[in-house]
Amino acid sequence: EAGVAQSPRYKIIEKRQSVAFWCNPISGHATLYWYQQILGQGPKLLIQFQNNGVVDDSQLPKDRFSAERLKGVDSTLKIQPAKLEDSAVYLCASSRTEEGYTFGSGTRLTVV
Amino acid sequence: RKEVEQDPGPFNVPEGATVAFNCTYSNSASQSFFWYRQDCRKEPKLLMSVYSSGNEDGRFTAQLNRASQYISLLIRDSKLSDSATYLCVVKQGAQKLVFGQGTRLTINP
Repeated sequence: EAGVAQSPRYKIIEKRQSVAFWCNPISGHATLYWYQQILGQGPKLLIQFQNNGVVDDSQLPKDRFSAERLKGVDSTLKIQPAKLEDSAVYLCASSRTEEGYTFGSGTRLTVV
Repeated sequence: RKEVEQDPGPFNVPEGATVAFNCTYSNSASQSFFWYRQDCRKEPKLLMSVYSSGNEDGRFTAQLNRASQYISLLIRDSKLSDSATYLCVVKQGAQKLVFGQGTRLTINP
């Protein structure tokens, strides 16, 4: 089966600019996750969707981060305005079962 | 206190050696446990699940001690290709995975 697709692979922006990331989960996977992984740390959950509803966004910095999953398939994550500390890899993952968690290749964001 | 704690390493061991990683978790209600492997500049991938009875997959053995809230991973006869970061992962609630910081392992020839 095709994996989780993410784009772009890399993005460099200046602080205070806006950026958006896109994720296409594995077909049939109802649950979609966005994780942030700062260099040297483990991934941290930002937001979890079940179909197009939000299950958990407790760690999403809502003053600057937003995410949506229209039609319960693709998802976008936006940062506006970006800060230097947002430099990280943004990983999208999807799952259908309790254990089947598949990550995309991630988007590496550098804020300068 | 972090929800999942690991020694970040790095661990540098010679090829063929046995190496063990440990991890502790703080939430006693955690339901499932995993080890993920992450290669440099790649996404995390599931290495193995961890069961209370202990489980083995080839050279890899994982164990869980619920009373002590402690998880371990043992790699026997290590290979150069085992060099990676090993992430301890705990599932909480509705399919939410909480990751540790990861332990970096380098196998030297």
